[in-house]
Amino acid sequence: AQSVTQLGSHVSVSEGALVLLRCNYSSSVPPYLFWYVQYPNQGLQLLLKYTTGATLVKGINGFEAEFKKSETSFHLTKPSAHMSDAAEYFCAVRSGGYNKLIFGAGTRLAVHP
Amino acid sequence: DADVTQTPRNRITKTGKRIMLECSQTKGHDRMYWYRQDPGLGLRLIYYSFDVKDINKGEISDGYSVSRQAQAKFSLSLESAIPNQTALYFCATSDFPGQGTPNTGELFFGEGSRLTVL
Repeated sequence: AQSVTQLGSHVSVSEGALVLLRCNYSSSVPPYLFWYVQYPNQGLQLLLKYTTGATLVKGINGFEAEFKKSETSFHLTKPSAHMSDAAEYFCAVRSGGYNKLIFGAGTRLAVHP
Repeated sequence: DADVTQTPRNRITKTGKRIMLECSQTKGHDRMYWYRQDPGLGLRLIYYSFDVKDINKGEISDGYSVSRQAQAKFSLSLESAIPNQTALYFCATSDFPGQGTPNTGELFFGEGSRLTVL
């Protein structure tokens, strides 16, 4: 069965610092992987996704993630944090053929001046 | 206007009451989902539907029921609400192969319905 583990429920960085949010997955089939962002009082918005092909995936707002099969990881990075990046981030893996997504517990990112 | 609309956005109710959360979408997607979000637990799937005749239980369906009234409408009901059903509920949609775009599994979410059961 597929599962997702996000290391660190809270991450705090300074504005301009590197953002690194960790995600490890378990999947019995080649995974489709996703990062979603949730701003306060809003729904989830897709940041980026990996399906096949290039393992470095670029998303919106300067975020990117790299699929590493050998490490079963899909960590999210951004070179320079902005105050507007403060939000909760969810990693997810597709389960089966029915587009069911299995979500991690989420990581809340705080950005301080 | 939002592609996936949930009503109500906020609801406070009492234990034992029946509650319905409604979801409508204009994306033309056949697949619809209800998720529940709890702090520290992420999102968990309650029910999903491929079309009006196809309803499937997710990982936490106990205490919930759903109705797919039309392709665009999918409602979630709590027949007798209890306090541990206090949560943020999300409706989502997705496409499937053959609708002109690759089926990547991406979900499109509504803005959520916050339910408090006292």
